[in-house]
Parts: sequence; structure tokens; C-alpha cells
Amino acid sequence: AQSVTQLGSHVSVSEGALVLLRCNYSSSVPPYLFWYVQYPNQGLQLLLKYTTGATLVKGINGFEAEFKKSETSFHLTKPSAHMSDAAEYFCAVSENRDDKIIFGKGTRLHILP
Amino acid sequence: NAGVMQNPRHLVRRRGQEARLRCSPMKGHSHVYWYRQLPEEGLKFMVYLQKENIIDESGMPKERFSAEFPKEGPSILRIQQVVRGDSAAYFCASSPMTHRRVGYGYTFGSGTRLTVV
Repeated sequence: AQSVTQLGSHVSVSEGALVLLRCNYSSSVPPYLFWYVQYPNQGLQLLLKYTTGATLVKGINGFEAEFKKSETSFHLTKPSAHMSDAAEYFCAVSENRDDKIIFGKGTRLHILP
Repeated sequence: NAGVMQNPRHLVRRRGQEARLRCSPMKGHSHVYWYRQLPEEGLKFMVYLQKENIIDESGMPKERFSAEFPKEGPSILRIQQVVRGDSAAYFCASSPMTHRRVGYGYTFGSGTRLTVV
């Protein structure tokens, strides 16, 4: 069965610094991988996804993630953090034979002025 | 083009009462998923429905919880005889087809925050 591990429930970075949120997954078949963002008291918004093809995926708001099969990782990065990036980020996986998406526990990103 | 609509946004129930949470999927979406979010636990899958069918309810508690998605009207998540441990945010998501065919992902609603007092 698939699962997702997000390292670090809270991550703090300074405004303008690199953002790196870590995600490792477990799946018995080639997975679909997702990053979602949740702002306070709101639902989840899709940031980016990997299905097939290019392993470096670009999303909204300057975020990108790289699928590394050998490391079973899908880390999320952004070169320069902005105050508006403060939110909770969820990594998620879905096996291509199973319709439901399994979410990690989330990482809350804090941006320091 | 309205997104996924959930209501109410906030719901307070006393222990032992029933809670009914509604979800209207995006126009053209025929697949609905319900998730529960507890602090520090992320989102837990509960149930996946298509019109008039429950496809996967492996995440639903065995008792007190039920879900439906009728031919007409919104999807309903029903919790009978609520207890304090049911307090959580409940999110609904929808997709136009089995998302795995195109890796669509979901569109989420803003959630219903249930508080049991």
C-alpha cells in the first residue's frame, strides 16, 4: 500500500531564502505524486503534480518538485521565499491503479522577516 | 464556474446529535471524495463515491458514519450520535473522472469544521 512521509512538521525559512520541503513516498507501482497547499481556514489547492514524463515539475507560485525514483522522493523547492508562502503543504501519492489519494501529515512553512 | 461547495462552513453539535455535511462537486464532476483532517495528522481518506454508488469506503469508521451521493443533489456525509472525537475539519473533493486516468488530482472545497460540545 502506498504511503507518504513528510520530514519536519514545521519548517522556518527567512524571506528570500531557499524553501525545501521534503517528501518520501512508498508505492508498489509507478505513482502519481502531488503537492497541495492549504492556507488558514481554507481547502487544499493543487500546487503541482507528477504523472509521467519529465521528472522536474513546475507548479504555481514559483514552486517546483523533482521526482527521484531511486530515492523515492518528491521534494518541493522554491528559490526565494515570500511572506505569502506561509501555509501548510501536503505531499500526496496515488498509485495508478487506485483512485484515492493518500496524503502526508503536512509541513507548516513559516517565513521569517 | 463555482468550485466545490461545502456547507455549512462551521457546525456545532452536542454529543449524541446528528451531523450532516453537504458537498456539491464542481459542475461536470461525477466523483466525490471525503477526507477528515485532525490537527497534526494530515488528511485521512474516508470514502469515494460516484453518483448513486460507493466505490471505496475503506476509511470510514464502521459505526455512526455514512455517506451518499444521490442522482440529484449534493453528496452527504452523515455522522450519527456524535462524540467529542468527531470534532475535525471535513473536506470534500471532486474530480471529473477517475483521476488516475489523467493524474487530474482533485479540486477541494473549503471544508466543514465540526465541533462537538
